[in-house]
Amino acid sequence: QSVVTQPPSASGTPGQRVTISCSGSSSNIGSNYVYWYQQLPGTAPKLLIYKSDLRPSGVTDRFSGSKSGAAASLAISGLRSDDEADYYCAVWDGSLNSWVFGGGTKLTVL
Amino acid sequence: QRQLQESGPGLVKPSQTLSLTCTFSGGSSSSNDWAWIRQPPGKGLEWIGSINYSGETYYSVSLKSRVSMSIDRSKKQFSLKLNSVTAADTAVYYCAEYDYDNLGSNWFDPWGQGTLVTVSS
Repeated sequence: QSVVTQPPSASGTPGQRVTISCSGSSSNIGSNYVYWYQQLPGTAPKLLIYKSDLRPSGVTDRFSGSKSGAAASLAISGLRSDDEADYYCAVWDGSLNSWVFGGGTKLTVL
Repeated sequence: QRQLQESGPGLVKPSQTLSLTCTFSGGSSSSNDWAWIRQPPGKGLEWIGSINYSGETYYSVSLKSRVSMSIDRSKKQFSLKLNSVTAADTAVYYCAEYDYDNLGSNWFDPWGQGTLVTVSS
């Protein structure tokens, strides 16, 4: 059981906007930046959002991140079929002195 | 562009030691920090630990008693050893490099492609 919680699944139709949540505590999300990774089937995770709301170069602006208190979220707008993937949030936990990952959210495009 | 590649045995017997190496190439800096992260089949990601260019290590509390990491700068490699393995250690093992900004924040980027290690007799 991860100390950072994500919904196990999310879904949407092409063109829709979908939001994935990541809930933690004061020792992790509440005091540190959140990072989001996209893992396409059979591949390694890829950085999607860093420092809670910044996009690396090359990542489309359809992906956006936000954080408020001890919770963060990833929004995907203009949903496409190739967005189908697992999405993970990651954050440093100052109490555990450890990086922690959310359990991952499997996104299905209907 | 930095690239990372994991290598090592794909099959380890229970109670033995899992040993993996990550070779890094490309990129402009040779003074970075690196991490090992694993993913059991069908499950989520777990940080195992990190090592910096000076060889200082930081391990996950849950694995600390069984993990060791080392670095060989001349070969551009860093290694993971996990002893007394069980079936629960079966996973895809990824190495990753830390990227930084000038304010001290860091994150995992890039990642290696991962290597599956199965613990079975």
